[in-house]
Amino acid sequence: GAGVSQSPRYKVAKRGQDVALRCDPISGHVSLFWYQQALGQGPEFLTYFQNEAQLDKSGLPSDRFFAERPEGSVSTLKIQRTQQEDSAVYLCASSRNRGLNEKLFFGSGTQLSVL
Amino acid sequence: DQQVKQNSPSLSVQEGRISILNCDYTNSMFDYFLWYKKYPAEGPTFLISISSIKDKNEDGRFTVFLNKSAKHLSLHIVPSQPGDSAVYFCAASLPSGSRLTFGEGTQLTVNP
Repeated sequence: GAGVSQSPRYKVAKRGQDVALRCDPISGHVSLFWYQQALGQGPEFLTYFQNEAQLDKSGLPSDRFFAERPEGSVSTLKIQRTQQEDSAVYLCASSRNRGLNEKLFFGSGTQLSVL
Repeated sequence: DQQVKQNSPSLSVQEGRISILNCDYTNSMFDYFLWYKKYPAEGPTFLISISSIKDKNEDGRFTVFLNKSAKHLSLHIVPSQPGDSAVYFCAASLPSGSRLTFGEGTQLTVNP
């Protein structure tokens, strides 16, 4: 597709359930980012990949959060044993090159609700 | 510790007038600043950026001003159009950084 695609669009999980969120970046984009956006707040950085290498995961809030991009294209963000505070919109973004000064292209996000 | 702040949650202007959105930051090491626009149920889209070596960047109806001594940037939209109604986020990055730090956003409403 022409843009960054995320699925599912909405996810409702029971507390304690594991979830997996998928991101298809723009074809050929080297850099991929995950952000978490709580209601009424700006996006907060979670993690960054350059091709298949996860170069920065310092924004992941706990060891329940795990991200991968095994072949340097599609990425999955996994949250284990979900808790209510994990409820947020999870945004994926990609950019053509390595530098952060490249503008990011965001997907529409996955809205996660943990009950 | 909110390093990028947008103190106005909302702004309402008349069509054709100027919209001015403000953003303050605390980290003097930030060297690149961006504005993103977000419509409901969509991801943010890039609008305009500015490097810390400049104090102004213009793109059509959009101009971003950077005041490094005050750690303040602003986005001017002239003339404002109803289609500009959206949430606007400012963001900043460190040299060779791997992340953007976003403000909380300002909801702009342009009334016809």
